Amino acid sequence: TQLLEQSPQFLSIQEGENLTVYCNSSSVFSSLQWYRQEPGEGPVLLVTVVTGGEVKKLKRLTFQFGDARKDSSLHITAAQPGDTGLYLCAGGSSNTGKLIFGQGTTLQVKP
Amino acid sequence: NAGVTQTPKFRVLKTGQSMTLLCAQDMNHEYMYWYRQDPGMGLRLIHYSVGEGTTAKGEVPDGYNVSRLKKQNFLLGLESAAPSQTSVYFCASRPSGGGPYNEQFFGPGTRLTVL
Repeated sequence: TQLLEQSPQFLSIQEGENLTVYCNSSSVFSSLQWYRQEPGEGPVLLVTVVTGGEVKKLKRLTFQFGDARKDSSLHITAAQPGDTGLYLCAGGSSNTGKLIFGQGTTLQVKP
Repeated sequence: NAGVTQTPKFRVLKTGQSMTLLCAQDMNHEYMYWYRQDPGMGLRLIHYSVGEGTTAKGEVPDGYNVSRLKKQNFLLGLESAAPSQTSVYFCASRPSGGGPYNEQFFGPGTRLTVL
């Protein structure tokens, strides 16, 4: 059974601080996606990484896929209250588009 | 375009009652998925479909059935609800092409409570 472990599960920081969320597995994934979910809504895709060692940037967010394609990280620089939400990593490994989700990281950024 | 819609938004059931959750998408997507989300457990796949008339089991299929009679609709049924099925249910869809870069588009969720 493929599992994705996210850490930390909860993070409460002040505006302007930096943070990193980790997503680890013992399994290899063909792709790794990061989603963000706001209360009362469904998750929305932020980024997809496919190649081992790949780094993608989305404004203040930096996503990295591990060389062995078993882990990923999300780094936020100078967090803002608008970054508050639930961040989910999801690993893909089949033609059916099925995803295995991590438990999620709840981020609260205080003004 | 409405995207992915789910009906109803909230529902309270008594143990043993049955109900059907409806998911509809207007993006002509081939693949559709039903997930449940529980605190601290992320999203877990219940059932999925890769096309009209086809369905398959996901990680946690017990106690649920699904049907995909029309391409745009994916129904999730609970025949005899149990308190353990109290959860938030999300439907998602995605196109079949595009490889791993294709995203899943999620509905707004249905919050189900079983007493």
